[in-house]
Amino acid sequence: AQSVAQPEDQVNVAEGNPLTVKCTYSVSGNPYLFWYVQYPNRGLQFLLKYITGDNLVKGSYGFEAEFNKSQTSFHLKKPSALVSDSALYFCAVRPPGSGNTGKLIFGQGTTLQVKP
Amino acid sequence: DVKVTQSSRYLVKRTGEKVFLECVQDMDHENMFWYRQDPGLGLRLIYFSYDVKMKEKGDIPEGYSVSREKKERFSLILESASTNQTSMYLCASSTRTGGTDTQYFGPGTRLTVL
Repeated sequence: AQSVAQPEDQVNVAEGNPLTVKCTYSVSGNPYLFWYVQYPNRGLQFLLKYITGDNLVKGSYGFEAEFNKSQTSFHLKKPSALVSDSALYFCAVRPPGSGNTGKLIFGQGTTLQVKP
Repeated sequence: DVKVTQSSRYLVKRTGEKVFLECVQDMDHENMFWYRQDPGLGLRLIYFSYDVKMKEKGDIPEGYSVSREKKERFSLILESASTNQTSMYLCASSTRTGGTDTQYFGPGTRLTVL
């Protein structure tokens, strides 16, 4: 079955330190990959996506993600965390062959807590 | 910027009531989606629509129906609300143009069924 896994329910990091939020996927072929962020009581905001090309993708708010096909991973990273980065992060995948429906499969989410 | 709006941020209803959640997008997107979000379960797709009057079931359609009479509007209907439908409901839209399927989300409706 096609799926997305975010193995950590919560990630804690000190302000100024680098952060990584992990995502692995299980789909056949070449998927599209996405990261979204959700601040409290808000909808999801798009951060970045990988479609094709360079494995390192840069997105909003200084975030980047690295696509690793051999490890089927798409980890979200930031060199220096801010307290304001504290939020819930979702990884999502568009499986190949999903046609024009635009359906995405979402992970269960990872809470990022950045402490001053 | 894409704007997706939802009719209510917070809603309290009683068991057995019929509940309507409205979603409107202003970017002429073909695809629209309804999700529910519960702690530890992530986002689960209820229904989606890829064109006016077209709808397809998602992963958890039971107890819900949808309506898409106009391209910009996608309604979620709880025919007879139950307490296990207490949740955060998120609407999203995307375009098939460009083929990247980035979904844009509304602010969510937090529904409580008493």
